Amino acid sequence: DAGVIQSPRHEVTEMGQEVTLRCKPISGHDYLFWYRQTMMRGLELLIYFNNNVPIDDSGMPEDRFSAKMPNASFSTLKIQPSEPRDSAVYFCASSSRTGRVLTFGAGSRLTVL
Amino acid sequence: KNEVEQSPQNLTAQEGEFITINCSYSVGISALHWLQQHPGGGIVSLFMLSSGKKKHGRLIATINIQEKHSSLHITASHPRDSAVYICAVDFSGGYNKLIFGAGTRLAVHP
Repeated sequence: DAGVIQSPRHEVTEMGQEVTLRCKPISGHDYLFWYRQTMMRGLELLIYFNNNVPIDDSGMPEDRFSAKMPNASFSTLKIQPSEPRDSAVYFCASSSRTGRVLTFGAGSRLTVL
Repeated sequence: KNEVEQSPQNLTAQEGEFITINCSYSVGISALHWLQQHPGGGIVSLFMLSSGKKKHGRLIATINIQEKHSSLHITASHPRDSAVYICAVDFSGGYNKLIFGAGTRLAVHP
């Protein structure tokens, strides 16, 4: 397995633009997590899915953020409209209920100008 | 409030030294994770433990549930161990809904 795959690796955009981050989890993993990492706040959980269903989105900062998981092999995190304070590294991770060890993607570094 | 405290924040060592990083948490947990973040930014899971001790190569992780404390030890440290080590705890009963410590930045010099 190629691991958790995220795209894009780097994104630079201007304030007000829509940003879509993508994640392909490890095949067979039924949990998918989106995290955000900033210098000020460290790593924070934004939302997680189980069997493609959002379970807990309490970490999503505001309505400008949305996440979907249309099938077991794909998830998106969307920010619309983006703001400079959204600049961060966004990580996707997946795990199985039985194994529970997390596998992280390489991250998507977002810069909003 | 669920909190995770790591110490030290920064650690510098000479190659070959024994290293200990500590993690304390405030309430009962179902599991604790140790993660390693490389200078390039990638995050790797080192250990997940809910009791006792685990060992992988030169890395050892221990947890004391009663004292709400875990330690990560690195024996015979090497410059390639230089990274940020992050403790994360699962308060969600095993669903990997993690709360993260601030990390310990380790630099091992030759």
